[in-house]
Amino acid sequence: DAMVIQNPRYQVTQFGKPVTLSCSQTLNHNVMYWYQQKSSQAPKLLFHYYDKDFNNEADTPDNFQSRRPNTSFCFLDIRSPGLGDAAMYLCATSRVWGIGTGAGSPLHFGNGTRLTVT
Amino acid sequence: EDQVTQSPEALRLQEGESSSLNCSYTVSGLRGLFWYRQDPGKGPEFLFTLYSAGEEKEKERLKATLTKKESFLHITAPKPEDSATYLCAVQARMDSWGKLQFGAGTQVVVTP
Repeated sequence: DAMVIQNPRYQVTQFGKPVTLSCSQTLNHNVMYWYQQKSSQAPKLLFHYYDKDFNNEADTPDNFQSRRPNTSFCFLDIRSPGLGDAAMYLCATSRVWGIGTGAGSPLHFGNGTRLTVT
Repeated sequence: EDQVTQSPEALRLQEGESSSLNCSYTVSGLRGLFWYRQDPGKGPEFLFTLYSAGEEKEKERLKATLTKKESFLHITAPKPEDSATYLCAVQARMDSWGKLQFGAGTQVVVTP
């Protein structure tokens, strides 16, 4: 089955210690998104890639970076995690047809990485 | 600014007791309204997309409807396996990249 896979499922890091979360997809979707979800809150978009074009949300802290080395993989780097960065991080993909139209498939999500900061 | 508000925050139902969840939204031109189901510790699972007022979609015991200001997710004769958090999200026509703005969800618990 085509899917979105996130690794690891659980990640524990220390305050200030860089951490990388990974996402891979077999859907061949051209857009990949990273969302942050805290307990009982709405998922919040951090950034997304359209192919290799990176799009940052205005309120995403500089502490969060992302890389997309190829169509299938996308990484979320947290340079200096703080206690407030503890959350579920969700990767999603979609196929958007037509540059700039936004029209496309629904977002498909992975099962997330639960990040704990000690 | 686009906004999505879901109510109630939590809902406890007896098996077979039908109910409705509400999603109120404000968006500068709606491309689509999406419903997702999220189980604890998992990512959201796509349920429906609604594009225009008056549209309805059904899947098993779930039925989603859309007006110009809100959407309802009706759960008919729920079973314990329908227990989950239901998320509503909007996609703005002006957005070029298909991104979704989510509400905080309604946590549904169905007891036998």
